[in-house]
Amino acid sequence: GAVVSQHPSWVICKSGTSVKIECRSLDFQATTMFWYRQFPKKSLMLMATSNEGSKATYEQGVEKDKFLINHASLTLSTLTVTSAHPEDSSFYICSARPRGYDEQYFGPGTRLTVT
Amino acid sequence: GESVGLHLPTLSVQEGDNSIINCAYSNSASDYFIWYKQESGKGPQFIIDIRSNMDKRQGQRVTVLLNKTVKHLSLQIAATQPGDSAVYFCAEGDGSNYQLIWGAGTKLIIKP
Repeated sequence: GAVVSQHPSWVICKSGTSVKIECRSLDFQATTMFWYRQFPKKSLMLMATSNEGSKATYEQGVEKDKFLINHASLTLSTLTVTSAHPEDSSFYICSARPRGYDEQYFGPGTRLTVT
Repeated sequence: GESVGLHLPTLSVQEGDNSIINCAYSNSASDYFIWYKQESGKGPQFIIDIRSNMDKRQGQRVTVLLNKTVKHLSLQIAATQPGDSAVYFCAEGDGSNYQLIWGAGTKLIIKP
């Protein structure tokens, strides 16, 4: 149980285009979903916290107009990287917290490369 | 700011030996601690967690120890196997907003 999926697993896009990444909790309802960014050989950096039905809370330094987060249902959250630039290339990971629990379960990550 | 850190960035262990990965934390308000394993190119995988009202918790081949006096957390892996090769992260939370503070990570290398 507690499986989280992400789609796509990797994507290559051109500068200036937008990319949408989906995060789904497959066998549980996720009250809260988190989006992280990870650079090579580094720890996870929290980008935003998303509660179902409400606006995401962004961490300091994360542009909310550039990284659009939508948490439309208890099983789906999306991250859209708008007007992507090469410096947005990274490994993006989502996690989901089941209702009533403290644990976060992580997706497999999405490798974004902007050319 | 408050943070979680690791003593060793890389740990090499002989296959079959026990591994001990250490972590220091500084937020006295943290009451929930977790160890994650991350293999290359994958998302973190939950290993084991412990709450601040406990000193020790055991799982399958893994044990987490919490020393609140010195704000220290450790992960012990018994009979280390090649499949244990990964980066291990400790993380802490204080239960207020379910956000986690992440350590820098320790890479565990298994020597045959």
